[in-house]
Amino acid sequence: DAGVIQSPRHEVTEMGQEVTLRCKPISGHNSLFWYRQTMMRGLELLIYFNNNVPIDDSGMPEDRFSAKMPNASFSTLKIQPSEPRDSAVYFCASSLGGTISYNEQFFGPGTRLTVL
Amino acid sequence: KQEVTQIPAALSVPEGENLVLNCSFTDSAIYNLQWFRQDPGKGLTSLLLIQSSQREQTSGRLNASLDKSSGRSTLYIAASQPGDSATYLCAVLGNSGGSNYKLTFGKGTLLTVNP
Repeated sequence: DAGVIQSPRHEVTEMGQEVTLRCKPISGHNSLFWYRQTMMRGLELLIYFNNNVPIDDSGMPEDRFSAKMPNASFSTLKIQPSEPRDSAVYFCASSLGGTISYNEQFFGPGTRLTVL
Repeated sequence: KQEVTQIPAALSVPEGENLVLNCSFTDSAIYNLQWFRQDPGKGLTSLLLIQSSQREQTSGRLNASLDKSSGRSTLYIAASQPGDSATYLCAVLGNSGGSNYKLTFGKGTLLTVNP
């Protein structure tokens, strides 16, 4: 299995531009998570999908952020308009779902976003 | 609100030394605890997962313990090698407040093993 796939790996954009991050979870996994990692705040959960349905988006910082999961094998995280404070590494993770306590999350390599 | 603390923030040891990384959490209502490794510019690799009913897990030179009642976990690395150099993250999966999918992470311990 290729693991969780994220693209692009690096993104540099200017303030005000739209940014779209992409994730392909591990085949057969029913849960998908988007995280953001910064030096100041560490790793924080942004949004959680189960069976393609958003369950908890309380971590999404503001309305400029949106996420979709149109099918079991693809998800996007969009920032519009982007701001310099959005600069961070964004991780996607997936897990099997089902019995919670045995759910191990597998992380993608991340997308390093720089907003100038 | 669950808070996870890792001590020390950074650790430098000579090759071959045994070492312990510490993790503490404020809410003992957890499903499990995971230790991850993160290499510079890379994603997170899961090292060990301990269920709330377990006391420890072992994988090769790594041993993780869990004391849920006191809110503590340790990651023991035996005979450290330069290839062990990385940031080690501890995360707990909470089971309170309905957020039983939410991993709360510590900020990590940056380990450097010197040849």
